[in-house]
Amino acid sequence: EVQLVESGGGLVQPGGSLRLSCAASGFTFSSYWMNWVRQAPGKGLEWVANIKQDGSEIYYVDSVKGRFTISRDNAKNSLYLQMNSLRAEDTAVYYCARHYSSSRVSPFYYWGHGTLVTVSS
Amino acid sequence: EIVLTQSPGTLSLSPGERATLSCRASQSVSNTYLAWYQQKPGQAPRLLIYGASSRATGIPDRFSGSGSGTDFTLTISRLEPEDFAVYYCQQYDNSPPFGQGTKLEIK
Repeated sequence: EVQLVESGGGLVQPGGSLRLSCAASGFTFSSYWMNWVRQAPGKGLEWVANIKQDGSEIYYVDSVKGRFTISRDNAKNSLYLQMNSLRAEDTAVYYCARHYSSSRVSPFYYWGHGTLVTVSS
Repeated sequence: EIVLTQSPGTLSLSPGERATLSCRASQSVSNTYLAWYQQKPGQAPRLLIYGASSRATGIPDRFSGSGSGTDFTLTISRLEPEDFAVYYCQQYDNSPPFGQGTKLEIK
């Protein structure tokens, strides 16, 4: 059974940093592109970043470029999101999501339960 | 970058009725790389439709997708109580943005 379990969320002050983790199991992690998607309270879904199987290609939404870094450790079956210079507008539930197939051009089939990040003083 | 606009923002219907949700793209979506998701409160999204019209595994056949180019539709033929939720479209070519969502509520 495919499982994605996020952790690392919490309350952080504006300008602070946080590192999210996503532990994957039930599939060959190194064979799939992986994503972070967020959802602000009461708002819609926003794709944040994705990373290729070997980490050689990475993409970000414009609003987080230069502040967030996505990475992965295939030996540990884990995905990460390092978030720096956090702003109030980064407050959201952050989901880890796996593509349907090994291609980047495929929808998101598996999702974690999400971890809440709150940026507030 | 493609922008997806969903309409209506909120749709109020009764169980047993037919629901038609729209997703319009600011430019043509390559090869119908268009998906629909359902999200219930406190839950992660669930993939319903991909490739504009293919149902994901385990999705009931009352859900159907259609469209191409810039105009796409999700149809729920006969609403069941569990279908009342928020629905998002997504184009998953390149940077995969989502539409803003349509809330399907019980009338």
